[in-house]
Amino acid sequence: RKEVEQDPGPFNVPEGATVAFNCTYSNSASQSFFWYRQDCRKEPKLLMSVYSSGNEDGRFTAQLNRASQYISLLIRDSKLSDSATYLCVVNVNNNDMRFGAGTRLTVKP
Amino acid sequence: DADVTQTPRNRITKTGKRIMLECSQTKGHDRMYWYRQDPGLGLRLIYYSFDVKDINKGEISDGYSVSRQAQAKFSLSLESAIPNQTALYFCATSDFSVMGTYEQYFGPGTRLTVT
Repeated sequence: RKEVEQDPGPFNVPEGATVAFNCTYSNSASQSFFWYRQDCRKEPKLLMSVYSSGNEDGRFTAQLNRASQYISLLIRDSKLSDSATYLCVVNVNNNDMRFGAGTRLTVKP
Repeated sequence: DADVTQTPRNRITKTGKRIMLECSQTKGHDRMYWYRQDPGLGLRLIYYSFDVKDINKGEISDGYSVSRQAQAKFSLSLESAIPNQTALYFCATSDFSVMGTYEQYFGPGTRLTVT
């Protein structure tokens, strides 16, 4: 079983749609959690950290459920520019970041 | 100018050749990392370094070595390249954020092909 699992997609949604991505992790000692965005052939870039109480940044909402070892990312009012691969990242002990394989999103006009 | 740079950006080499990938950063971060990315597998950690005198193996260090020449420079070597080392390689740096986590910042990547 992979340490960080994501639905690979692809998710194809129309502009304006709401889309949600899920991620599960296997190590209960994991301490911090992130969503990164990666455009085709580019480097990953931090989208947002995920905090225990859940957090929101504009159209993006991240949630963490430690009991179920589950992280989610919700994107509201999708834009064409949201098309990318979204990587779930789990940090086990501040030394060891484990990456999911990513979920691909395409937003269509 | 980019905060994390990698050279070369693309490289094609033959099996058995030695190759070095270089990474430089201007962010002033102590922590530096090397990852490889393969389709369907996500990024996997090869080596990481917390300062100039510190080198640690990651998840997949076999066949690789690293050198931390200075706080700003971290190079990755393949002593004898083999085809299954064909991948996209990323260097990253990190620092402790105000929220109490280590967030990583990536270079643009080096696409390596071993024939």
